[in-house]
Amino acid sequence: GAVVSQHPSRVICKSGTSVKIECRSLDFQATTMFWYRQFPKQSLMLMATSNEGSKATYEQGVEKDKFLINHASLTLSTLTVTSAHPEDSSFYICSGLAGVREETQYFGPGTRLLVL
Amino acid sequence: QKEVEQDPGPLSVPEGAIVSLNCTYSNSAFQYFMWYRQYSRKGPELLMYTYSSGNKEDGRFTAQVDKSSKYISLFIRDSQPSDSATYLCAMSAGAYSGAGSYQLTFGKGTKLSVIP
Repeated sequence: GAVVSQHPSRVICKSGTSVKIECRSLDFQATTMFWYRQFPKQSLMLMATSNEGSKATYEQGVEKDKFLINHASLTLSTLTVTSAHPEDSSFYICSGLAGVREETQYFGPGTRLLVL
Repeated sequence: QKEVEQDPGPLSVPEGAIVSLNCTYSNSAFQYFMWYRQYSRKGPELLMYTYSSGNKEDGRFTAQVDKSSKYISLFIRDSQPSDSATYLCAMSAGAYSGAGSYQLTFGKGTKLSVIP
């Protein structure tokens, strides 16, 4: 299957700072990438859809000014959590859209963010 | 009624048992059906992918789709302790079915424990 990487895998930061998470598709080109967050013992919650070269589409309730998404190339999307607060602590996972009919997604290993 | 229903478990079985995991759905537009395995603190890993109704086998795993009943299953034969994880069903209508239709709709996940 296709491979997606994320960096960093884990980050601890102070409240008020910004954190950037990178998502790379290593062996395929992902015109579309997705960002999810997952709280303990819960399923994945889609935050935004990121399209290469255009603005991201955010799900209802997700603050676009707080979660900045950039998809500058076919293999890289970044999520920046600006002015992070403890309630932003979560597991962030990205995925790349793939398949002949763009019908499936391959996920990265996730980034665990802890805001103190 | 939620779009995708999945029993969260937990499900505990002895090593070597046959495991049956199921999801039901309500949206008849779904055509692509996936099963992901997620280990604790990791991103989901694509296990099985099927298109439309029928069976698909890959090693110890068999995926079944019954579109007439809107019911999908994943069977694990000769279960191993390493199969202990959360299993997520996911489905989509595919990229060419309309705006946003390539997004995945997930079940809540079933937590499986295989006891040695």
